[in-house]
Amino acid sequence: GDSVTQMEGPVTLSEEAFLTINCTYTATGYPSLFWYVQYPGEGLQLLLKATKADDKGSNKGFEATYRKETTSFHLEKGSVQVSDSAVYFCALSPNDYKLSFGAGTTVTVRA
Amino acid sequence: EAGVTQFPSHSVIEKGQTVTLRCDPISGHDNLYWYRRVMGKEIKFLLHFVKESKQDESGMPNNRFLAERTGGTYSTLKVQPAELEDSGVYFCASSQAGDGGQFFGPGTRLTVL
Repeated sequence: GDSVTQMEGPVTLSEEAFLTINCTYTATGYPSLFWYVQYPGEGLQLLLKATKADDKGSNKGFEATYRKETTSFHLEKGSVQVSDSAVYFCALSPNDYKLSFGAGTTVTVRA
Repeated sequence: EAGVTQFPSHSVIEKGQTVTLRCDPISGHDNLYWYRRVMGKEIKFLLHFVKESKQDESGMPNNRFLAERTGGTYSTLKVQPAELEDSGVYFCASSQAGDGGQFFGPGTRLTVL
């Protein structure tokens, strides 16, 4: 079945550092890919998405590119802030309804 | 506009008891989903409603779980009887379009002792 594997955390960074969270997936067909973020005390929020190969999703300085050849959707941000501290979830959907999530990566940014 | 709300935020019950979780989706959202995260593992899909109809319930773990969405508005998820392995965080989400962008509630943390 469909599955998502993302790098294990926790990840601790200093402000203005570069962030990468690796995500790979296994799926039949051509799923849509997502990154969700959960800030402390809040529900999950959609951060960005990509619906087909080579699409790049971007939001709040974060980017991820749908790579079909490597079945990957790595999340990157060039300069993180303390406010980016959160849990990040990679997810896929084969039909734009049901989501399959990775285990989540906890990111802590220190001032 | 109010977001997705869930009640209660926390519930602690004993094994064998019954618990009912409630989800109020964003007004006008026809799609409603239930997910759960057990013991820090992946968030797992439970089921998907379109209005009052169950579109996909492939993730429901067993017949101790019963989800309803009468009238196509709020939804309830009942666990009867609860077992220890049911402990976790239960998330509800809703969406209007089928574009994968779902709005999540804060979750209900269920602890079964």
